Amino acid sequence: ETGVTQSPTHLIKTRGQQVTLRCSSQSGHNTVSWYQQALGQGPQFIFQYYREEENGRGNFPPRFSGLQFPNYSSELNVNALELDDSALYLCASSLTGTGSYEQYFGPGTRLTVT
Amino acid sequence: GESVGLHLPTLSVQEGDNSIINCAYSNSASDYFIWYKQESGKGPQFIIDIRSNMDKRQGQRVTVLLNKTVKHLSLQIAATQPGDSAVYFCAEKGGGYQKVTFGIGTKLQVIP
Repeated sequence: ETGVTQSPTHLIKTRGQQVTLRCSSQSGHNTVSWYQQALGQGPQFIFQYYREEENGRGNFPPRFSGLQFPNYSSELNVNALELDDSALYLCASSLTGTGSYEQYFGPGTRLTVT
Repeated sequence: GESVGLHLPTLSVQEGDNSIINCAYSNSASDYFIWYKQESGKGPQFIIDIRSNMDKRQGQRVTVLLNKTVKHLSLQIAATQPGDSAVYFCAEKGGGYQKVTFGIGTKLQVIP
């Protein structure tokens, strides 16, 4: 059984650029959630994907978008990057339909916007 | 790795003592609560959870207490070890999907 993996580990982008972050779910999990964690803060929910569709969204603008693929891996896309987008981006996988809400987090991607 | 615990409340505990980390939650409709541990440079790691129809749950060296009357959650760690040093977050889930809302973390420092 493999854990949740994310790529890249670190990324530096310039304001206005676009970025794509990737996440591979834990084996057998069908749901992926994305979180933004600013330094010294708790993770903030961005959105969740289940069956390749967005299944809930936090208070983030439309320039944050995502995809889930048939193999349950996922991408987070951020357009028109702003300095405040600098953060650790975490994905978490879980299994919907069993009554368990346990989420397994990846190590995160550290995004720096300059 | 980066520091996760900047400007967070800090609890310092002597090795071997018990630790109690407290958390207040806001949504009375939340039906599920989780404690996570986050070490520097890593994602949060599940510790223990509790459903809203329970008031206590025990794991290995950890106990979670839930007081719905005052919307308070606590995590007790028995015989705290240096490896327990990390930032601890409480989180709540409410609603039909699995959105988890994290609280303000607490940095636990274990003094050898």
